[in-house]
Amino acid sequence: DAGVIQSPRHEVTEMGQEVTLRCKPISGHDYLFWYRQTMMRGLELLIYFNNNVPIDDSGMPEDRFSAKMPNASFSTLKIQPSEPRDSAVYFCASGGGDRGRWSYNEQFFGPGTRLTVL
Amino acid sequence: QKEVEQDPGPLSVPEGAIVSLNCTYSNSAFQYFMWYRQYSRKGPELLMYTYSSGNKEDGRFTAQVDKSSKYISLFIRDSQPSDSATYLCAMKAAGNKLTFGGGTRVLVKP
Repeated sequence: DAGVIQSPRHEVTEMGQEVTLRCKPISGHDYLFWYRQTMMRGLELLIYFNNNVPIDDSGMPEDRFSAKMPNASFSTLKIQPSEPRDSAVYFCASGGGDRGRWSYNEQFFGPGTRLTVL
Repeated sequence: QKEVEQDPGPLSVPEGAIVSLNCTYSNSAFQYFMWYRQYSRKGPELLMYTYSSGNKEDGRFTAQVDKSSKYISLFIRDSQPSDSATYLCAMKAAGNKLTFGGGTRVLVKP
């Protein structure tokens, strides 16, 4: 199992540009989570999906952020336009599936995308 | 005030010592408690989990939950340099949203 795959691993862009982050969850998982991690705010949940449907997007900071999950094996997080305060590490995590009682409590994280907005 | 509070450290201990980590929380609805370990420039990975109050042991790791005090702990016995990482507590109520503490950075010196 390759684990959760995220791309790109690093992204440097200029303020105002569109940024798209990609995630491939672990096969068989039916939950997908997008997090943002900064020194000041720690690890924050932005949005999560169940069976490709967005369930809770209350953590999405602004309308500049949007997320989609067109199928069970792919999700994107888009920032348009990007701002310097969006600089952070963005993690995708997946979980759930038919793996027993605790499967919905364990989340498997990807390696993250380190975003720098100049 | 944050829902989950965790001392950021860093916590520096000599190899072989016991590492003691803890978190306090304010939401009495939390019933699932987890500890994640995060190495530098990596994603967090689940280390241990417990449901409700009590203790759980797994090798060198012991997790404790005291719901009456809203306090959870993680102990690492016989610490190794490879245990040097950031440890994040996480907890959830009945839904699927995890709330994380800010993490404690641990450094085990050989």
